[in-house]
Amino acid sequence: GAVVSQHPSRVICKSGTSVKIECRSLDFQATTMFWYRQFPKQSLMLMATSNEGSKATYEQGVEKDKFLINHASLTLSTLTVTSAHPEDSSFYICSARPWTGSRDEQFFGPGTRLTVL
Amino acid sequence: QKEVEQNSGPLSVPEGAIASLNCTYSDRGSQSFFWYRQYSGKSPELIMFIYSNGDKEDGRFTAQLNKASQYVSLLIRDSQPSDSATYLCAVNKGGGSQGNLIFGKGTKLSVKP
Repeated sequence: GAVVSQHPSRVICKSGTSVKIECRSLDFQATTMFWYRQFPKQSLMLMATSNEGSKATYEQGVEKDKFLINHASLTLSTLTVTSAHPEDSSFYICSARPWTGSRDEQFFGPGTRLTVL
Repeated sequence: QKEVEQNSGPLSVPEGAIASLNCTYSDRGSQSFFWYRQYSGKSPELIMFIYSNGDKEDGRFTAQLNKASQYVSLLIRDSQPSDSATYLCAVNKGGGSQGNLIFGKGTKLSVKP
């Protein structure tokens, strides 16, 4: 149980284009989903917290107009990187916190590696 | 002071030995503590969580928490080469329902056959 999927697993795009990443909880409902970014040899950095049916909460320094988050249902959240640039190239990972169970436990998706040319 | 600190390593131990991974945190109000394992190029996977002072054992893994010292550790007994990975310590600094985790930079563990 507690499986989280992400799609796509890898994407290469041209500078200036937009990329959408999907995060799904496959066997549980998630009240909250989190989006992280990880640069090479760095730790996970929380970008935003996404609650179903409400606006996402962005961490300081993360542009909400550039990283659009939609949490339309209890099993799906999407992150859209708009007008991507080479500096946005990174490993994007989502996690989901179940509706029930441990109050803080998060389960991670497999990640999406974004390369912007 | 960084919120969650870990020695980046690499920590190298021989196969069969005990690997000891340490983590300190700055917010005394932190309530939940997690250890994740991350293989290169992969996303983190949860190994253990601990909420109360003392030890918590799960198979070859033991998490230890000392809130007075703001210190949490992970012991891996009978280390195997497959345990070679980066281990991330994460802390919920707010507690309650928000669930935001603050991650350390991770300790790279290498288990030599």
